[in-house]
Amino acid sequence: AQSVTQPDIHITVSEGASLELRCNYSYGATPYLFWYVQSPGQGLQLLLKYFSGDTLVQGIKGFEAEFKRSQSSFNLRKPSVHWSDAAEYFCAVGASFQKLVFGTGTRLLVSP
Amino acid sequence: SQTIHQWPATLVQPVGSPLSLECTVEGTSNPNLYWYRQAAGRGLQLLFYSVGIGQISSEVPQNLSASRPQDRQFILSSKKLLLSDSGFYLCACPTGGGETQYFGPGTRLLVL
Repeated sequence: AQSVTQPDIHITVSEGASLELRCNYSYGATPYLFWYVQSPGQGLQLLLKYFSGDTLVQGIKGFEAEFKRSQSSFNLRKPSVHWSDAAEYFCAVGASFQKLVFGTGTRLLVSP
Repeated sequence: SQTIHQWPATLVQPVGSPLSLECTVEGTSNPNLYWYRQAAGRGLQLLFYSVGIGQISSEVPQNLSASRPQDRQFILSSKKLLLSDSGFYLCACPTGGGETQYFGPGTRLLVL
């Protein structure tokens, strides 16, 4: 069965510093991978996705993620974090019937 | 592109009371539809999905049920709410023919 692990429950980053959120997945075939962001009290917004091709994918709000098959990872990165990036971030893998299996999320705090 | 509506936005219900949450989708036809739940401090878990009118698949045993009375309507129900039913309920729909899920604004349910 598919599973997603986000090992960091909370991460605090200074504004302007770089960010990397970790995501590891378990899936038997080539995965469809996603990162979503959830601002407080809000629904989920898609940041980026990987289906195939270039393993470095660009998303909205200056985020990028790199698919590494050998490490079963899909880490999210941003070179310079803004205070408005404070939110919860979810990694997900696509399963049959377009279902999503989510990680438990990483809460990003941005310090001034 | 499709738009997902969820109603109500917030709900406070006593234990043992019934529940009905509604999700409607515009801008697409015959979509797959999904109900996810996010419990406090936890990730998102798929509860139900539907590939068509009257077709419901349950992912986890629970106190809830789902129905799809119309092509673009997905209902989440309970006859008697439990405290553990509290959470943030999200309806989702993939893009037309695609693998990317888009989420509605969610319903926040508090069972007291």
